[in-house]
Amino acid sequence: QKEVEQNSGPLSVPEGAIASLNCTYSDRGSQSFFWYRQYSGKSPELIMFIYSNGDKEDGRFTAQLNKASQYVSLLIRDSQPSDSATYLCAVKAGGFKTIFGAGTRLFVKA
Amino acid sequence: DGGITQSPKYLFRKEGQNVTLSCEQNLNHDAMYWYRQDPGQGLRLIYYSQIVNDFQKGDIAEGYSVSREKKESFPLTVTSAQKNPTAFYLCASNRGTLTDTQYFGPGTRLTVL
Repeated sequence: QKEVEQNSGPLSVPEGAIASLNCTYSDRGSQSFFWYRQYSGKSPELIMFIYSNGDKEDGRFTAQLNKASQYVSLLIRDSQPSDSATYLCAVKAGGFKTIFGAGTRLFVKA
Repeated sequence: DGGITQSPKYLFRKEGQNVTLSCEQNLNHDAMYWYRQDPGQGLRLIYYSQIVNDFQKGDIAEGYSVSREKKESFPLTVTSAQKNPTAFYLCASNRGTLTDTQYFGPGTRLTVL
């Protein structure tokens, strides 16, 4: 069974700090990696995607991928209370199926 | 505006009833998906469709059925055979390529009374 594992949290950080969210996956053939943000009662929205080893930056968000260690992370700089949400890691190995982690709840304290 | 719509937003079902959840997209996407989300859990794939008139079972297809008669529409029926249907149901679509992200509809919250 292909798995995507995340710490459920909650991860609590003060406003302005860096929030670090981690995800590990079991399928070494995984090729595409996504981070979604989901507010309570709402549908997931894409934050970042990454396909190659290394870092990818977009504004306050940085995705990091290490295929050898089978982990992907999301850093949120200058965290804001509006960043408080559940962050879902998603992994695609091929074909049409995407495997989602259970999510990490982030709470940013004002 | 392009996007994915789901209806209804909230749905209440009595035990033994079949209900159908609507999903429509005007993004010209070939692939469409249905997921179920339970509290504290990730999204679990129910069914997916890569093209009109074709669909495949996901990981938790028992008690559900779908159709894909039009590219824009992918309705999900929750049958009485689904023993624990109370959940948040999400429809998604994309072009179906390896690197293409999925776009989600707003979701339908189904509650069994």
